[in-house]
Amino acid sequence: AQSVTQLDSQVPVFEEAPVELRCNYSSSVSVYLFWYVQYPNQGLQLLLKYLSGSTLVESINGFEAEFNKSQTSFHLRKPSVHISDTAEYFCAVSAPGGSYIPTFGRGTSLIVHP
Amino acid sequence: DTAVSQTPKYLVTQMGNDKSIKCEQNLGHDTMYWYKQDSKKFLKIMFSYNNKELIINETVPNRFSPKSPDKAHLNLHINSLELGDSAVYFCASSQGPGTGYEQYFGPGTRLTVT
Repeated sequence: AQSVTQLDSQVPVFEEAPVELRCNYSSSVSVYLFWYVQYPNQGLQLLLKYLSGSTLVESINGFEAEFNKSQTSFHLRKPSVHISDTAEYFCAVSAPGGSYIPTFGRGTSLIVHP
Repeated sequence: DTAVSQTPKYLVTQMGNDKSIKCEQNLGHDTMYWYKQDSKKFLKIMFSYNNKELIINETVPNRFSPKSPDKAHLNLHINSLELGDSAVYFCASSQGPGTGYEQYFGPGTRLTVT
């Protein structure tokens, strides 16, 4: 079985500052890793994913995440945040060699202040 | 075109009633899911349905039952509603394994039980 830990329940930051949202996972098999974003009163949507290959993955709106196998982490970063990035961010893991059903972290609320 | 749609968006009902939430996906995906998101934004998988294989989260009360008339639809029936059932319910679908079972979420149904 796999599990996901998002270490911060809430991250406040000022506009144009950098941000890192932390995610650690545990699994006995290889994993697929995801970050989803949920804007207020909406469903979740995929932000970026790691399946294989390059350990650094990027989204179209400036976020990036790096798969670190030795530290079992998949932290999400953005060098300069905007007000519009205010949302709930969920890290998720599924296991191609195990259960395909994803396991989600408890979410991190990113609050961007002007 | 909406990829994953749910109806209704809001549902207010009294304890003891029976209600249904409908979900449709037009992505041609093989697997559909139901999730429950509580007031603290915690996302919990309830069911996964893949080619007539139903996987149930053992913590889900048997008052909840999914019904799939075809591959594009997975409806959720809830009997004898309780106050604790109040939450936002999300339908999702995925294709895999090449996509890592990336989840496509519907907009959610906010259920309020009074």
